Amino acid sequence: DQQVKQNSPSLSVQEGRISILNCDYTNSMFDYFLWYKKYPAEGPTFLISISSIKDKNEDGRFTVFLNKSAKHLSLHIVPSQPGDSAVYFCAAEKGGSQGNLIFGKGTKLSVKP
Amino acid sequence: ETGVTQSPTHLIKTRGQQVTLRCSSQSGHNTVSWYQQALGQGPQFIFQYYREEENGRGNFPPRFSGLQFPNYSSELNVNALELDDSALYLCASSSRDRVDGYTFGSGTRLTVV
Repeated sequence: DQQVKQNSPSLSVQEGRISILNCDYTNSMFDYFLWYKKYPAEGPTFLISISSIKDKNEDGRFTVFLNKSAKHLSLHIVPSQPGDSAVYFCAAEKGGSQGNLIFGKGTKLSVKP
Repeated sequence: ETGVTQSPTHLIKTRGQQVTLRCSSQSGHNTVSWYQQALGQGPQFIFQYYREEENGRGNFPPRFSGLQFPNYSSELNVNALELDDSALYLCASSSRDRVDGYTFGSGTRLTVV
């Protein structure tokens, strides 16, 4: 039973364009959501998070949108750069279960020059 | 500010052996979580330590155990290793209020033969 789903294993985008990575979840008890980027042979790097009391959070080129009714969140990267090429993981956490992140399987983003 | 460091980076063990993995948390962080990441999957939560006590556990058998020390560093111990324990083991630290998310180390690649 996969509680956090990233249905696109891969995404290819042209440099300078927008990258949109999607994530769906099933558990309505999740109240905190995070996006991580991972390069090979490195640990996940925190990008941006959002609490369930918000529907949008922005940090530089990265914006996360949360649609609680649809149990869906997305990460927008604008403009995309070749250095953004990596695997992106969506993660969710339940209230009262701090530190227990439930991860999706990841989406591999390729940004082409 | 130092990040999360894990040791060793790689190791090979024989089935039935025991292994200890180590993690130093980021400066200012007092909570440590451990994750197992199999190939092609997202990280799976093993357990979390706060104030030197286990504070939440995922779906892992008791042969996975841990410790947290007064300086907030942590160990993951796995007894009676099985072939399926081969994975990347990640440590993540955070402050209790997770204000800056969870910081991951680069991981320990464990191979059981």
